[in-house]
Amino acid sequence: DGGITQSPKYLFRKEGQNVTLSCEQNLNHDAMYWYRQDPGQGLRLIYYSQIVNDFQKGDIAEGYSVSREKKESFPLTVTSAQKNPTAFYLCASSIEAGVIAKNIQYFGAGTRLSVL
Amino acid sequence: AQSVAQPEDQVNVAEGNPLTVKCTYSVSGNPYLFWYVQYPNRGLQFLLKYITGDNLVKGSYGFEAEFNKSQTSFHLKKPSALVSDSALYFCAVRDSLSFYNNDMRFGAGTRLTVKP
Repeated sequence: DGGITQSPKYLFRKEGQNVTLSCEQNLNHDAMYWYRQDPGQGLRLIYYSQIVNDFQKGDIAEGYSVSREKKESFPLTVTSAQKNPTAFYLCASSIEAGVIAKNIQYFGAGTRLSVL
Repeated sequence: AQSVAQPEDQVNVAEGNPLTVKCTYSVSGNPYLFWYVQYPNRGLQFLLKYITGDNLVKGSYGFEAEFNKSQTSFHLKKPSALVSDSALYFCAVRDSLSFYNNDMRFGAGTRLTVKP
């Protein structure tokens, strides 16, 4: 899982509660991503950020929010508006040099979120 | 928009036999293709990628993949499977026309089980 640290490993959310998932990288990568993984659906992009203080919505951004105040950190908040948050969440990063589309994404170990 | 399909949810092989995990793609420009592996409760690990050049790409742990433009496929192969290869495998694609868009599309995944 390289230099990407996700915490906590397991997280439980109560009804109406916002929870924040942490993602830190020491790879000096410019781009960071959040994916949601559900069984049989592969990975779906929630948000991504190419540079500090800038981020873009992915395919399933509703009910989630992010911030990118530091290059190495990209926390994801699962808000109470996300009605089905139970999933495995993966953070990734990549360099932005050269042709972006060719670059490998490196993944953290993931956070499993469940609803109480 | 790019897309990728993994037609098999599950692949079972005996240890020592060759294995193939299938992937087909659709892009508007040229494809940049990736294979990742995921072990239980872990993030994705990069195996190999095709950008251009030789259609046979060699990667980590003895895996290789063959790019076939006419069939729009990028099947993952290994000559002799190991029990430790048992995991979830993801194919991913980016479009060469997505230079300004970090839009990597993942397949739904194929669970490989290698039996002793």
